[in-house]
Amino acid sequence: GDSVTQMEGPVTLSEEAFLTINCTYTATGYPSLFWYVQYPGEGLQLLLKATKADDKGSNKGFEATYRKETTSFHLEKGSVQVSDSAVYFCVRGSTLGRLYFGRGTQLTVWP
Amino acid sequence: DTGVSQNPRHKITKRGQNVTFRCDPISEHNRLYWYRQTLGQGPEFLTYFQNEAQLEKSRLLSDRFSAERPEGSISTVTIQRTEQRDSAMYRCASRGTLQETQYFGPGTRLLVL
Repeated sequence: GDSVTQMEGPVTLSEEAFLTINCTYTATGYPSLFWYVQYPGEGLQLLLKATKADDKGSNKGFEATYRKETTSFHLEKGSVQVSDSAVYFCVRGSTLGRLYFGRGTQLTVWP
Repeated sequence: DTGVSQNPRHKITKRGQNVTFRCDPISEHNRLYWYRQTLGQGPEFLTYFQNEAQLEKSRLLSDRFSAERPEGSISTVTIQRTEQRDSAMYRCASRGTLQETQYFGPGTRLLVL
């Protein structure tokens, strides 16, 4: 069935380290792809999105490229900060609009 | 603050009781979604409204669960005869017709004792 698989956490990094959170999806067609983030004590927020193949979404230093060949949408950041500590969700869209979420990856960044 | 509000933020109830919680979407958004999230999992789709019409409902939902959006704005979810397995965070999201981004409320955390 359709699903989103993302790297299991938790991920613990030192400040200024490079971050990659892997995400792959299965779907018929070419759905929009998103990364949502949940900071401690807050609700879900859109971090970035890409709507078609080869699109690169970016925001707050985070990037993810829509790769249809590998059905992937990996999240990257070159230099993480303590304030990036949160749970990150890889998400796939659908024709009717419902979202399919991965399980989430907990990121903790230490100073 | 995304502009989507939910209340109550927390609800504790005893098994067998009925509960209702509410979502106020962004006013110009005609599409509204409900999701349920349990510990260690991502949110899971429950149901979807376009205006007042409920267009999709997850096959996983029990018949104790109902949702409505009678005037195409505020939506409520009611769970009858709650069970411990209903304990979860219930999240509401809204979006406009031409948007793909869904804006989430803060969620209602339900605990069934």
